[in-house]
Formats: sequence, structure tokens, C-alpha cells
Amino acid sequence: GAVVSQHPSWVICKSGTSVKIECRSLDFQATTMFWYRQFPKQSLMLMATSNEGSKATYEQGVEKDKFLINHASLTLSTLTVTSAHPEDSSFYICSARDRRLGFGQPQHFGDGTRLSIL
Amino acid sequence: EDQVTQSPEALRLQEGESSSLNCSYTVSGLRGLFWYRQDPGKGPEFLFTLYSAGEEKEKERLKATLTKKESFLHITAPKPEDSATYLCAVQGLDGGATNKLIFGTGTLLAVQP
Repeated sequence: GAVVSQHPSWVICKSGTSVKIECRSLDFQATTMFWYRQFPKQSLMLMATSNEGSKATYEQGVEKDKFLINHASLTLSTLTVTSAHPEDSSFYICSARDRRLGFGQPQHFGDGTRLSIL
Repeated sequence: EDQVTQSPEALRLQEGESSSLNCSYTVSGLRGLFWYRQDPGKGPEFLFTLYSAGEEKEKERLKATLTKKESFLHITAPKPEDSATYLCAVQGLDGGATNKLIFGTGTLLAVQP
């Protein structure tokens, strides 16, 4: 149980294009999903908290207009990197928490998306 | 401010050589401490949740323990397939409204046959 699917797993695109990453909870519903960024040999840095039916909450220093988050249903959140540039190249990972469980319960992670901007 | 520090950064063991990984934390009231395993190019895989000092959890060769200031992940007789990065994360009361986690930088474990 508690499977989170992330798609695509790898994307390479030209500078200036926009890239959409999907995060789905397959066997549970999630009112809250999380988007992280991870640089090589570093830990996960929380970018934003995605809330179903409302606006995302962004961490300090993360550009809202650059990283658009939509959480349209209880099983799907999307992250769109707009007008991507080489410095946006990174490993992006999403996670979700089962809405039936209380606070203090684990988040379950997708397998990440490797984004490379040329 | 909630903070998590993991040590060592990297650990190389021979197969069968038991050891422990450390996770020190400061948090404004602990809701939960989490251990994850991350393989290269993959997302973190959930291992354990600990909630209060004195609590212990076990899974195969892994055992996690918790005190008021730190957690240990004990690895008994490790095998090469235990090689991975082990991440520790905490959720404090400040992050309780959103279930926000604070991660340490991880310990890269390599088990040689």
C-alpha cells in the first residue's frame, strides 16, 4: 500500500520551455502533497506544500511564478517549471500523506523526476 | 528552528560488520521522527516512525531507537543490498499543521561483500 507515482521519471528539454511533472497517489487520497528538490549528494529541500482545492504554500526563496503547483484532486498534484533554464536542472521528488491518517504519520514518496535543461 | 544533523556522512562496512547511524535533532515538540532509505535515482522509501523517547522499531537487520535528543539506526550483520543513503527527518509541532518534514543530509552506507 501507500504507492506514489511520479511522471515523467526523466525529461530533457531546451531552455525556455515549460515542463509539467505529475504526482499521483495510487491507493490512497491525499489532501496534502509535497514537492522537494534534491541536488547531487544533498538532502531533500522542501519547495512547497500542495493543498487540494486551494493555493500551494511555498517555502521562503521559492518563486511562485516559476514553479506552478496545482492540486486539482485528492490523488493528483502537478508541478510546472515555467520557462526553465539550466539552473533549474535538478531532481524533483513529490510525496503524499494519506488523508485518513493523523499528523505525525509518514509521507510516502514518488521515485522522482530528473530534469535536465539544455 | 527545527534542525536535524546526521552522522557520519558516509560509512563503509564489510558484510556482517554491525554499526549504527546517528540522527541528532532539535525540535519544538516532536510529533514524529522518520527514517527513510534512498537508493540512487529513486525517491525515499519509508522505514520507521518513532514518536517518543525509549521507543524502538525493528525491521529485518534494522533497528531504530529514540531518545529526547537523538535517534540511532542500528544495522546488524549488514548485506551489500543494505547499501543506500539513510535519511532521518522530524516533524515538530511547528510543522504540525501541514505535516512538514525537516530532513537531515543523510548517511551514505556502502556494504562491501
